[in-house]
Amino acid sequence: QKEVEQNSGPLSVPEGAIASLNCTYSDRVSQSFFWYRQYSGKSPELIMSIYSNGDKEDGRFTAQLNKASQYVSLLIRDSQPSDSATYLCAVKVAPGRRALTFGSGTRLQVQP
Amino acid sequence: DTGVSQDPRHKITKRGQNVTFRCDPISEHNRLYWYRQTLGQGPEFLTYFQNEAQLEKSRLLSDRFSAERPKGSFSTLEIQRTEQGDSAMYLCASSHPDRPDYGYTFGSGTRLTVV
Repeated sequence: QKEVEQNSGPLSVPEGAIASLNCTYSDRVSQSFFWYRQYSGKSPELIMSIYSNGDKEDGRFTAQLNKASQYVSLLIRDSQPSDSATYLCAVKVAPGRRALTFGSGTRLQVQP
Repeated sequence: DTGVSQDPRHKITKRGQNVTFRCDPISEHNRLYWYRQTLGQGPEFLTYFQNEAQLEKSRLLSDRFSAERPKGSFSTLEIQRTEQGDSAMYLCASSHPDRPDYGYTFGSGTRLTVV
């Protein structure tokens, strides 16, 4: 089992819709969770971080964390064609480890 | 501050040659990370430095790979006797210890092609 798993997609949504991206992780002691966006040929850029159970909102983005079920999700409201990219879930899998473990990413396509 | 800088952006080398990449992190970031990314995959962790100390290495980092951060500022990643399987994007990232919410800032990467 991979430490961080994501559906590779592509996930296709129409412009203006809500895009829902999911990620599961295997280590129950994982503490910190991040969502990165990566455009084709570019490096990842941080969208959001979340540490506590529940929702965290930032503009059109909402991160949701459920530690009991070991999943984290990202909702993108009012999706725009410019949101088309690969979304990477990253987890700090164990206390004391500094490195993040990344999932393989979900490719999102927003159709105009 | 211009962000994380990596050099070169692209490198084409023949199998068996040695290559070295450089990373200049954001100046106030004392943590520096090297990752490797292949097409369709997420970044895979290679190694981590806090200041000049190399504190963590992945099992992916074979004995052909070596990384240094001699003065706690820039870092180099060397690959000896390159193989075709080393072809990938090599990403450097840095982070600030007092701003965990900010996660990593990645550089633009060095794309290595081994022919």
